[in-house]
Amino acid sequence: GAGVSQTPSNKVTEKGKYVELRCDPISGHTALYWYRQSLGQGPEFLIYFQGTGAADDSGLPNDRFFAVRPEGSVSTLKIQRTERGDSAVYLCASSSKGLAGGGEQFFGPGTRLTVL
Amino acid sequence: RKEVEQDPGPFNVPEGATVAFNCTYSNSASQSFFWYRQDCRKEPKLLMSVYSSGNEDGRFTAQLNRASQYISLLIRDSKLSDSATYLCVVKDDKIIFGKGTRLHILP
Repeated sequence: GAGVSQTPSNKVTEKGKYVELRCDPISGHTALYWYRQSLGQGPEFLIYFQGTGAADDSGLPNDRFFAVRPEGSVSTLKIQRTERGDSAVYLCASSSKGLAGGGEQFFGPGTRLTVL
Repeated sequence: RKEVEQDPGPFNVPEGATVAFNCTYSNSASQSFFWYRQDCRKEPKLLMSVYSSGNEDGRFTAQLNRASQYISLLIRDSKLSDSATYLCVVKDDKIIFGKGTRLHILP
Protein backbone atom coordinates (compact mmCIF):
# COMPACT_ATOMS: atom_id res chain seq x y z
CA GLY A 1 0.00 0.00 0.00
CA ALA A 2 0.94 3.63 -0.24
CA GLY A 3 3.23 5.12 2.33
CA VAL A 4 3.13 8.57 3.87
CA SER A 5 3.08 11.29 1.25
CA GLN A 6 3.94 14.95 1.66
CA THR A 7 3.38 17.88 -0.64
CA PRO A 8 5.02 19.91 -1.91
CA SER A 9 8.40 18.21 -1.95
CA ASN A 10 10.10 21.59 -2.14
CA LYS A 11 8.83 25.02 -1.23
CA VAL A 12 10.70 28.26 -1.71
CA THR A 13 9.12 31.34 -0.23
CA GLU A 14 10.02 34.84 0.80
CA LYS A 15 10.41 36.06 4.33
CA GLY A 16 7.07 37.14 5.75
CA LYS A 17 4.94 34.89 3.54
CA TYR A 18 2.47 32.21 4.67
CA VAL A 19 3.01 28.55 3.76
CA GLU A 20 1.03 25.35 4.12
CA LEU A 21 2.61 21.91 4.12
CA ARG A 22 0.46 18.85 3.62
CA CYS A 23 0.81 15.33 4.96
CA ASP A 24 -1.21 12.32 3.84
CA PRO A 25 -0.62 9.48 6.33
CA ILE A 26 -0.92 5.76 5.80
CA SER A 27 -4.59 4.83 5.64
CA GLY A 28 -5.91 3.80 9.03
CA HIS A 29 -3.06 5.27 11.04
CA THR A 30 -4.55 7.24 13.90
CA ALA A 31 -1.33 8.85 15.10
CA LEU A 32 0.37 11.56 13.08
CA TYR A 33 3.52 13.47 13.93
CA TRP A 34 5.23 16.53 12.50
CA TYR A 35 8.98 17.07 12.85
CA ARG A 36 11.46 19.62 11.63
CA GLN A 37 14.98 18.61 10.64
CA SER A 38 17.82 21.01 10.03
CA LEU A 39 21.10 20.03 8.40
CA GLY A 40 23.23 17.88 10.65
CA GLN A 41 20.49 17.53 13.27
CA GLY A 42 18.03 14.85 14.17
CA PRO A 43 14.30 15.37 13.64
CA GLU A 44 12.89 17.83 16.16
CA PHE A 45 9.38 17.03 17.40
CA LEU A 46 6.75 19.68 16.65
CA ILE A 47 3.27 18.24 17.22
CA TYR A 48 1.46 14.93 17.63
CA PHE A 49 -2.13 14.16 16.63
CA GLN A 50 -4.17 11.27 17.90
CA GLY A 51 -7.16 11.23 15.59
CA THR A 52 -8.38 14.76 14.98
CA GLY A 53 -6.99 16.29 18.14
CA ALA A 54 -3.54 17.64 18.84
CA ALA A 55 -2.49 15.50 21.78
CA ASP A 56 0.82 17.30 22.21
CA ASP A 57 1.81 20.56 20.54
CA SER A 58 4.62 21.40 22.93
CA GLY A 59 7.23 21.28 20.17
CA LEU A 60 5.77 24.10 18.11
CA PRO A 61 8.39 26.86 18.39
CA ASN A 62 6.00 29.81 18.55
CA ASP A 63 2.52 30.95 17.61
CA ARG A 64 3.45 31.37 13.96
CA PHE A 65 3.21 27.61 13.67
CA PHE A 66 -0.13 25.83 13.63
CA ALA A 67 -1.31 22.41 12.47
CA VAL A 68 -4.69 20.84 11.84
CA ARG A 69 -6.08 17.41 11.10
CA PRO A 70 -9.80 18.06 10.76
CA GLU A 71 -10.93 14.60 9.66
CA GLY A 72 -8.32 12.51 11.38
CA SER A 73 -6.45 11.74 8.19
CA VAL A 74 -4.68 14.45 6.18
CA SER A 75 -2.85 17.07 8.19
CA THR A 76 -1.67 20.54 7.27
CA LEU A 77 1.16 22.40 8.96
CA LYS A 78 0.75 26.13 8.62
CA ILE A 79 3.50 28.69 9.10
CA GLN A 80 2.69 32.38 9.19
CA ARG A 81 5.11 35.26 8.60
CA THR A 82 7.91 32.89 7.67
CA GLU A 83 11.44 33.67 8.79
CA ARG A 84 14.76 32.55 7.35
CA GLY A 85 15.27 30.41 10.43
CA ASP A 86 12.22 28.35 9.48
CA SER A 87 14.18 26.87 6.58
CA ALA A 88 14.43 23.12 7.15
CA VAL A 89 13.00 19.80 6.04
CA TYR A 90 9.57 19.26 7.56
CA LEU A 91 8.88 15.58 8.10
CA CYS A 92 5.56 13.93 8.77
CA ALA A 93 5.20 10.46 10.24
CA SER A 94 2.24 8.24 11.00
CA SER A 95 1.77 5.25 13.23
CA SER A 96 -0.96 2.70 13.88
CA LYS A 97 -0.39 3.11 17.60
CA GLY A 98 -0.47 6.25 19.64
CA LEU A 99 2.44 7.63 21.59
CA ALA A 100 1.79 5.33 24.52
CA GLY A 101 1.80 2.32 22.24
CA GLY A 102 5.29 3.07 21.03
CA GLY A 103 4.60 1.78 17.54
CA GLU A 104 6.85 2.20 14.55
CA GLN A 105 6.62 5.56 12.87
CA PHE A 106 6.55 5.63 9.09
CA PHE A 107 7.99 8.82 7.69
CA GLY A 108 7.10 10.69 4.56
CA PRO A 109 9.82 12.02 2.23
CA GLY A 110 9.55 15.49 3.76
CA THR A 111 9.01 19.00 2.45
CA ARG A 112 12.15 21.06 2.05
CA LEU A 113 11.23 24.62 2.97
CA THR A 114 13.52 27.45 1.99
CA VAL A 115 12.76 30.95 3.19
CA LEU A 116 14.67 33.62 1.28
CA ARG B 1 23.02 17.11 30.03
CA LYS B 2 21.18 16.86 26.74
CA GLU B 3 18.12 14.63 26.67
CA VAL B 4 19.53 12.29 24.04
CA GLU B 5 23.18 12.35 23.04
CA GLN B 6 25.03 10.59 20.27
CA ASP B 7 28.56 10.82 18.97
CA PRO B 8 28.05 12.54 15.60
CA GLY B 9 31.00 10.73 14.01
CA PRO B 10 31.74 10.18 11.26
CA PHE B 11 32.82 6.64 11.91
CA ASN B 12 34.94 5.50 8.96
CA VAL B 13 35.06 1.72 9.04
CA PRO B 14 36.46 -0.79 6.52
CA GLU B 15 34.02 -3.18 4.93
CA GLY B 16 33.65 -6.36 6.95
CA ALA B 17 34.58 -4.78 10.25
CA THR B 18 32.43 -4.56 13.35
CA VAL B 19 31.31 -1.16 14.56
CA ALA B 20 29.40 -0.09 17.64
CA PHE B 21 28.01 3.17 18.85
CA ASN B 22 26.11 4.31 21.89
CA CYS B 23 23.39 6.74 22.72
CA THR B 24 22.86 8.17 26.19
CA TYR B 25 19.59 9.52 27.55
CA SER B 26 18.88 11.69 30.55
CA ASN B 27 15.35 10.70 31.61
CA SER B 28 15.42 7.53 33.69
CA ALA B 29 11.65 7.19 33.17
CA SER B 30 12.07 6.69 29.43
CA GLN B 31 10.02 3.75 28.30
CA SER B 32 10.86 2.83 24.73
CA PHE B 33 13.95 2.97 22.62
CA PHE B 34 14.58 2.64 18.91
CA TRP B 35 17.28 2.89 16.29
CA TYR B 36 16.33 4.54 13.01
CA ARG B 37 18.45 4.71 9.90
CA GLN B 38 18.51 7.75 7.64
CA ASP B 39 20.18 7.83 4.25
CA CYS B 40 21.35 11.12 2.81
CA ARG B 41 18.40 13.33 1.83
CA LYS B 42 15.95 10.56 2.68
CA GLU B 43 13.47 10.05 5.47
CA PRO B 44 14.30 8.07 8.63
CA LYS B 45 13.29 4.41 8.66
CA LEU B 46 13.01 2.11 11.64
CA LEU B 47 16.00 -0.19 11.95
CA MET B 48 15.04 -1.91 15.17
CA SER B 49 13.38 -1.47 18.51
CA VAL B 50 15.52 -1.92 21.59
CA TYR B 51 14.23 -4.29 24.24
CA SER B 52 15.35 -4.64 27.83
CA SER B 53 16.69 -8.10 27.13
CA GLY B 54 18.57 -6.95 24.07
CA ASN B 55 17.68 -8.02 20.58
CA GLU B 56 19.38 -9.16 17.44
CA ASP B 57 18.35 -8.90 13.80
CA GLY B 58 20.85 -10.49 11.48
CA ARG B 59 24.08 -8.50 11.66
CA PHE B 60 22.55 -5.91 13.98
CA THR B 61 22.39 -6.13 17.75
CA ALA B 62 20.78 -3.56 20.01
CA GLN B 63 21.14 -3.40 23.77
CA LEU B 64 19.72 -1.32 26.57
CA ASN B 65 21.53 -0.49 29.78
CA ARG B 66 19.01 1.15 32.10
CA ALA B 67 21.43 1.52 34.98
CA SER B 68 23.81 3.63 32.93
CA GLN B 69 21.07 5.06 30.74
CA TYR B 70 22.37 4.21 27.32
CA ILE B 71 21.47 2.09 24.35
CA SER B 72 23.90 0.62 21.88
CA LEU B 73 23.93 -0.61 18.31
CA LEU B 74 26.43 -3.16 17.06
CA ILE B 75 26.88 -3.90 13.37
CA ARG B 76 28.86 -6.98 12.45
CA ASP B 77 30.40 -7.77 9.06
CA SER B 78 29.63 -4.26 7.86
CA LYS B 79 28.54 -3.74 4.25
CA LEU B 80 28.94 -0.71 2.01
CA SER B 81 25.16 -0.37 2.11
CA ASP B 82 25.31 0.19 5.88
CA SER B 83 26.67 3.69 5.23
CA ALA B 84 24.05 6.02 6.66
CA THR B 85 23.20 8.12 9.68
CA TYR B 86 21.89 6.14 12.65
CA LEU B 87 19.39 7.98 14.83
CA CYS B 88 18.73 7.03 18.42
CA VAL B 89 15.12 7.58 19.54
CA VAL B 90 13.94 7.69 23.13
CA LYS B 91 10.32 7.86 24.19
CA ASP B 92 8.94 8.91 27.55
CA ASP B 93 5.94 11.22 27.41
CA LYS B 94 7.36 12.58 24.18
CA ILE B 95 9.61 11.35 21.41
CA ILE B 96 13.16 12.60 21.23
CA PHE B 97 15.58 11.94 18.39
CA GLY B 98 19.30 12.15 18.80
CA LYS B 99 21.33 14.10 16.27
CA GLY B 100 22.52 10.89 14.69
CA THR B 101 25.82 9.12 14.17
CA ARG B 102 27.23 9.13 10.65
CA LEU B 103 28.73 5.85 9.49
CA HIS B 104 30.87 5.48 6.38
CA ILE B 105 31.82 1.96 5.32
CA LEU B 106 34.98 2.05 3.27
CA PRO B 107 35.65 -0.44 0.44
